Amino acid sequence: NAGVTQTPKFRVLKTGQSMTLLCAQDMNHEYMYWYRQDPGMGLRLIHYSVGEGTTAKGEVPDGYNVSRLKKQNFLLGLESAAPSQTSVYFCASSYRGLRKVLNGNTIYFGEGSWLTVV
Amino acid sequence: DQQVKQNSPSLSVQEGRISILNCDYTNSMFDYFLWYKKYPAEGPTFLISISSIKDKNEDGRFTVFLNKSAKHLSLHIVPSQPGDSAVYFCAASLLKMKTSYDKVIFGPGTSLSVIP
Repeated sequence: NAGVTQTPKFRVLKTGQSMTLLCAQDMNHEYMYWYRQDPGMGLRLIHYSVGEGTTAKGEVPDGYNVSRLKKQNFLLGLESAAPSQTSVYFCASSYRGLRKVLNGNTIYFGEGSWLTVV
Repeated sequence: DQQVKQNSPSLSVQEGRISILNCDYTNSMFDYFLWYKKYPAEGPTFLISISSIKDKNEDGRFTVFLNKSAKHLSLHIVPSQPGDSAVYFCAASLLKMKTSYDKVIFGPGTSLSVIP
């Protein structure tokens, strides 16, 4: 059981380039999320999806787009990368809402993708 | 303005002693709180949680205390072990009724070092 898998793990981009981060989960979770982690800022939600074919904006959505064409995959796209997007990106998934955490379900995170924009 | 604050970026504790990690929040509507643990080069993993209807939740060596009037929660680790050395994120949840999505706000994290 792989859990949440992110690719690529590391990437260096030039300003203005585009790229896509791929997230795959094999736990049949309805919800998927993309977070970014920056020093002193914690984990900030970029976009999330509550089911196949749905997406919604999180706290810091500008400069990113997402797609959830299949339940198990959640793609994060950078159309024109900027140095401010240098960060560690975490994909996560969970069952329907965090209320389930009362029964032991939680948000499961991938290992992270390190992105540097120069 | 951060809604979830962890004012201590780092903490060092001797093995066997108690580690106390603190977290403050500003929104009194938060109704569920979680702690996540993160090792270098790994994703965060769930540690323990507490509902706003409780003031304490215990799981083995880990206990979370909630003081709603002070908008403060703390994570106690007793006894601390070297394997507990990690970054600990406090998180608060607010149910958004329209979407049924539990919005989660994470704090900036506290790096705990347990010295053998």
